[in-house]
Order: sequence, then C-alpha cells, then structure tokens
Amino acid sequence: ETGVTQSPTHLIKTRGQQVTLRCSSQSGHNTVSWYQQALGQGPQFIFQYYREEENGRGNFPPRFSGLQFPNYSSELNVNALELDDSALYLCASSSDRANTGELFFGEGSRLTVL
Amino acid sequence: QKEVEQDPGPLSVPEGAIVSLNCTYSNSAFQYFMWYRQYSRKGPELLMYTYSSGNKEDGRFTAQVDKSSKYISLFIRDSQPSDSATYLCAITKNTGNQFYFGTGTSLTVIP
Repeated sequence: ETGVTQSPTHLIKTRGQQVTLRCSSQSGHNTVSWYQQALGQGPQFIFQYYREEENGRGNFPPRFSGLQFPNYSSELNVNALELDDSALYLCASSSDRANTGELFFGEGSRLTVL
Repeated sequence: QKEVEQDPGPLSVPEGAIVSLNCTYSNSAFQYFMWYRQYSRKGPELLMYTYSSGNKEDGRFTAQVDKSSKYISLFIRDSQPSDSATYLCAITKNTGNQFYFGTGTSLTVIP
C-alpha cells in the first residue's frame, strides 16, 4: 500500500510569485485535504477535495486554489505569494468508505517565501 | 476563540515517566478525537483515535475523552526517548469534515 506522497519537499520563492504543490493520495483514498502548518503551530485547514470538487474551505483567501484529478491526486496553487505564506504545506488523504474519517498525512512541502 | 486549545509545553521528562498531554475544546458538536505524533520535519502520523466519550488503550498509550467537560487527554506510560516528538490533538464534528488541530505539545524524553 502506497502512502501519501508530496512534491517538492522544499522550495524557495520570492514575494509575488506563484507556486504549485502536488500530492498523491494513499491507495484507495478518494478525499484529499490540504493544511498549512506555520512554525510552532498546529495544521490549519485550507480546503478539501472529494471526487474532483472542492468540499469545504477554511479561512484562506482565494489566491489559495486547488484541483483534484480523476486518479484522486491533487494540486495546491498559491498566487501572489506573501512572506506569511512561508510554512509546511501538508496533504492528507482519507476515504469516505471508512467509518472514522482518519487523515493520513504526507511528509509535507516546506515553502519559504523571501 | 480557537476551537481547540493545547498547552504547547515544552515538556521534558525522564525515561520511564508517565506523560499526560491535554487539550480542551469549546463546541459540544465535536464527536471524533484524535492524537497525532509529529517528528521534526515530518508529517503528522495518527497515534490514537476515539469516537465520543471514553477511554482507548493501545500498548503504552491511552486516549481519554470527557465530553461533559470538553477535555481530551493522552497518557504515555513508560516513556521512551523515541517518544520525543510533538503531539497534536485533533477534533472533528463528522467524518469527512475539516479537522481542528491544537498547537501541539513538544515532548522530550531524557535517557
């Protein structure tokens, strides 16, 4: 069984640039959620995708957008990067067929905005 | 007010000690309670999962939920240096809904 994989693992951008982060969900999982974890903080919910549709969104501006593909992999796009966007971006997958809804996380993509 | 509050620590204990980690939450609608462990520069991994009130034990770990006081706890018995990590509590109202995480408690177990 393949776990959640994310790419890239690290990247550095400058203010105003755009970034795309990628995630492959765990085998058998059809739901992908994205979280932002700032240094010393817990993960904050950005949004969730289920069957290629956005299925819930946290308190993040529209410049944070996403996609889910037919194979359930997903992308997170952030436009007009700001310094405060520097964080670990975590992708988590889950299955609607599971009673528990447990989230399984990838290792994250660490974004630094200069 | 945050949905879930967690004492960030840091917490430092000698090997073999019993560790108690706690979170409080504000909304009685939360039904699912989890503890995640996060090693430095890694993603969180699910440690314990509990639905509604009660206790759940898994080896050296016990998760406890008291819905009447909106209080969740994780106990680690016979703590080991390999338990050194950040522990995050997480809550959600229904499966498929967003998770709310605490800030995490940093634990160091000293050999």
